[in-house]
Amino acid sequence: DAGVIQSPRHEVTEMGQEVTLRCKPISGHDYLFWYRQTMMRGLELLIYFNNNVPIDDSGMPEDRFSAKMPNASFSTLKIQPSEPRDSAVYFCASSFWDGYTEAFFGQGTRLTVV
Amino acid sequence: AQSVSQHNHHVILSEAASLELGCNYSYGGTVNLFWYVQYPGQHLQLLLKYFSGDPLVKGIKGFEAEFIKSKFSFNLRKPSVQWSDTAEYFCAVKVVREYKLSFGAGTTVTVRA
Repeated sequence: DAGVIQSPRHEVTEMGQEVTLRCKPISGHDYLFWYRQTMMRGLELLIYFNNNVPIDDSGMPEDRFSAKMPNASFSTLKIQPSEPRDSAVYFCASSFWDGYTEAFFGQGTRLTVV
Repeated sequence: AQSVSQHNHHVILSEAASLELGCNYSYGGTVNLFWYVQYPGQHLQLLLKYFSGDPLVKGIKGFEAEFIKSKFSFNLRKPSVQWSDTAEYFCAVKVVREYKLSFGAGTTVTVRA
């Protein structure tokens, strides 16, 4: 398996633009997580899905952030409109949570909003 | 509030020195515990994990960690570090039958050659 795949790896956008981050989890994993990493706040869980259904989105900072998982192999995190303070590395992770398996992380998307 | 605490923000040491990074959590109940490593510019990779059984867990690259339930701790150790161990280290906790994986703030380890 290729692991968790995220795209793009880097994104530079202007303030006010819409940004869409993409994630392909490991096949068969039924949990998908979106994290944001910043120097100030470390790793924050934004939202997670189980079997494509959003379970807990309490970490989503504002209504400008939204996430979807239309099927088991694809998820998006959208920011509209983007602001400079959204600049961060966004990680997607997936897992079975079968009592033996850890969460696997993607390479991340480094977002810069100018 | 439930939390994961890592005692050191930045650790600097020389090659061949021993390393110990502290991690404490405040969750009640049964937990799964993890240490992840993030090399500069890369994603998080698993070093080791504890789900059950022997509280002394051995991971990759010579790392080990000990789960002490009475102290709510899961400290990471390596007897002799190498320059290539320079990275950020994250402790993470998941409560059994819950699904959220919570991370500590991370410890940056710098190993000087």
